[in-house]
Amino acid sequence: DTGVSQNPRHKITKRGQNVTFRCDPISEHNRLYWYRQTLGQGPEFLTYFQNEAQLEKSRLLSDRFSAERPKGSFSTLEIQRTEQGDSAMYLCASSFEGQGRKLFFGSGTQLSVL
Amino acid sequence: QQQVKQSPQSLIVQKGGISIINCAYENTAFDYFPWYQQFPGKGPALLIAIRPDVSEKKEGRFTISFNKSAKQFSLHIMDSQPGDSATYFCAASLYGKLTFGQGTILTVHP
Repeated sequence: DTGVSQNPRHKITKRGQNVTFRCDPISEHNRLYWYRQTLGQGPEFLTYFQNEAQLEKSRLLSDRFSAERPKGSFSTLEIQRTEQGDSAMYLCASSFEGQGRKLFFGSGTQLSVL
Repeated sequence: QQQVKQSPQSLIVQKGGISIINCAYENTAFDYFPWYQQFPGKGPALLIAIRPDVSEKKEGRFTISFNKSAKQFSLHIMDSQPGDSATYFCAASLYGKLTFGQGTILTVHP
């Protein structure tokens, strides 16, 4: 499978715990995006990387959220001190700079904060 | 100015019918307008997309109509099939960053 891969698919955690999600983009894609989707809504942009550089972060992204993309390959999204409001589907997408507008999404990580 | 408004919220059509979903945007700097299809438990999948210098694009049973002056675009699904039942999102891109509409739940009855 050469698509965008996200792990884990599901994560259940208790409020106050830290969680980390991983995204492996399509291999030749140099742009990587994180989105968040709540039930019944469209995905909302969180942040994106071009290679290893994080170029933009949404105002929605609190200081408890941090993303990295070491060496411009896979990316991780960490949420510290989780809150119930963080419960959502976290989606990763990738694109190739030359076709930067065509984003390909993974199946997401469904986070439930109890 | 970053909003994309989508309607209707839900749509029921009979097999073989035409499904039409509409979107409107405000920011004239958007430079690419894709439609995504999403099944439960899956991520959005790119269906079809259009650039603002084109008024219509057709791929198989799917057609995008784009009206730049009205800042509106729509998705038409011809000969709708039960397998098309899914949530559809319009989106608008600015420098590769997508702003999504609220989604339309399409149900196609056999």
